[in-house]
Amino acid sequence: AQSVAQPEDQVNVAEGNPLTVKCTYSVSGNPYLFWYVQYPNRGLQFLLKYITGDNLVKGSYGFEAEFNKSQTSFHLKKPSALVSDSALYFCAVRDTLNYQLIWGAGTKLIIKP
Amino acid sequence: ETGVTQTPRHLVMGMTNKKSLKCEQHLGHNAMYWYKQSAKKPLELMFVYSLEERVENNSVPSRFSPECPNSSHLFLHLHTLQPEDSALYLCASSRDRGAGELFFGEGSRLTVL
Repeated sequence: AQSVAQPEDQVNVAEGNPLTVKCTYSVSGNPYLFWYVQYPNRGLQFLLKYITGDNLVKGSYGFEAEFNKSQTSFHLKKPSALVSDSALYFCAVRDTLNYQLIWGAGTKLIIKP
Repeated sequence: ETGVTQTPRHLVMGMTNKKSLKCEQHLGHNAMYWYKQSAKKPLELMFVYSLEERVENNSVPSRFSPECPNSSHLFLHLHTLQPEDSALYLCASSRDRGAGELFFGEGSRLTVL
């Protein structure tokens, strides 16, 4: 079965430090991978996607994600965290059969001043 | 004006009530979606419409009834709900069905008493 896993419910990072939010996936065929962010009391916002090409994808708000085919991972990263990055982050992969997104359970990112 | 607008933002209803959630998109997209978001769980896809035709119905109970009168509007009609239906209901749109970049509304927080 196709799936996405976000192994951490919560990640705590000090402001100014680098951050990583982990995501692993399982799909048949080539993966289309996505990250979304949800700020409190808001809907989800698209951050970035990997379709093909360079394994390092750059997105909004200074975020980037690294696609690793051998490890079936697509971790979200940022070199220097801001308090305003505190939010809920969702990884998703496109189902290769019906083209709908399969979502992870989300990771709460807390950036402390 | 945001791209996807949902009303109401908050709704409290009894199990015997009938109410509706409304979604409107101003992006010229061809596909619209209803998702259910519960705490610490992946987003659950409920319904997908493409060019006003329902193309996905992920085994949603009949007490949830969608309606898509045109490509800009989507409704979710609610009747005889259960307390476990309390959740955040998110509407989203995309350029086409299967396009992974979704644009979300801010959600309707539903509480069933």
